[in-house]
Amino acid sequence: DAGVTQSPTHLIKTRGQHVTLRCSPISGHKSVSWYQQVLGQGPQFIFQYYEKEERGRGNFPDRFSARQFPNYSSELNVNALLLGDSALYLCASSLEAGGINEQFFGPGTRLTVL
Amino acid sequence: AQTVTQSQPEMSVQEAETVTLSCTYDTSESDYYLFWYKQPPSRQMILVIRQEAYKQQNATENRFSVNFQKAAKSFSLKISDSQLGDAAMYFCAYRSQGGSEKLVFGKGTKLTVNP
Repeated sequence: DAGVTQSPTHLIKTRGQHVTLRCSPISGHKSVSWYQQVLGQGPQFIFQYYEKEERGRGNFPDRFSARQFPNYSSELNVNALLLGDSALYLCASSLEAGGINEQFFGPGTRLTVL
Repeated sequence: AQTVTQSQPEMSVQEAETVTLSCTYDTSESDYYLFWYKQPPSRQMILVIRQEAYKQQNATENRFSVNFQKAAKSFSLKISDSQLGDAAMYFCAYRSQGGSEKLVFGKGTKLTVNP
C-alpha cells in the first residue's frame, strides 16, 4: 500500500509569492495534519483536518490556510511568502481523529524562499 | 501550553550497545499521549513507540523501550542492541487526549551509531 505522498518534493519561490503544497493520505485515512519543520528544529503543528473540517490550528499567521477535499487529500496554501517560511513541510495522516492513533508522515516538501 | 524538552542535541553509541535518550515535558493535563518518532536522513518520520499516560506499564517495541515517569514528567527512550540503521534524529512528542491531533515536538536528538 502507498504511504502518504506529498508534492512537489522541492520548491523554490521568491518573497511575496504564493505557494500550494499537496498531500495524499494513506487510503482510508480521514485525518490530515500539516507541520512545518525549520532546519534543526522539531516539527511545528499548522493545521489538522478531519472529514473536510478544520479540527485544529497552530500558532501561524493567516497567510497560512488549508483545506481537505472529499477524497481526503489536502492542500496547504501560503500567501505573501517570507524568508522565514523556508522549511520542510510535512503532512501526516491517520485513520480517525483522536485516540492514540498513529500519524503516518509523508516525505515532506522542501520550500526555499529567496 | 505544553512544551517538550530534549536536553541532548547529539548522542553516540557503539553498535550492539545500549543508549538512552532523554525527554521531559510540561503539562497541566492528567491524560495525554507520548510518542517517540525517528527521522532518518531520508526525512520520513516513523513512529518508534507510544505511551498512554494512564498506563503505568512502560511501553516496549522489540529493542525499544521507554521509562515513563509521570510525576517527574519524564519519558526517556532506551535502545538496546543498537544497529547502524538506528542512526537518525529522534523526536519526543506530546499529544493531548482531547481536541485535535496536534503533536508538540521537542527539538530532537541526533543519534550516531558507531561500527
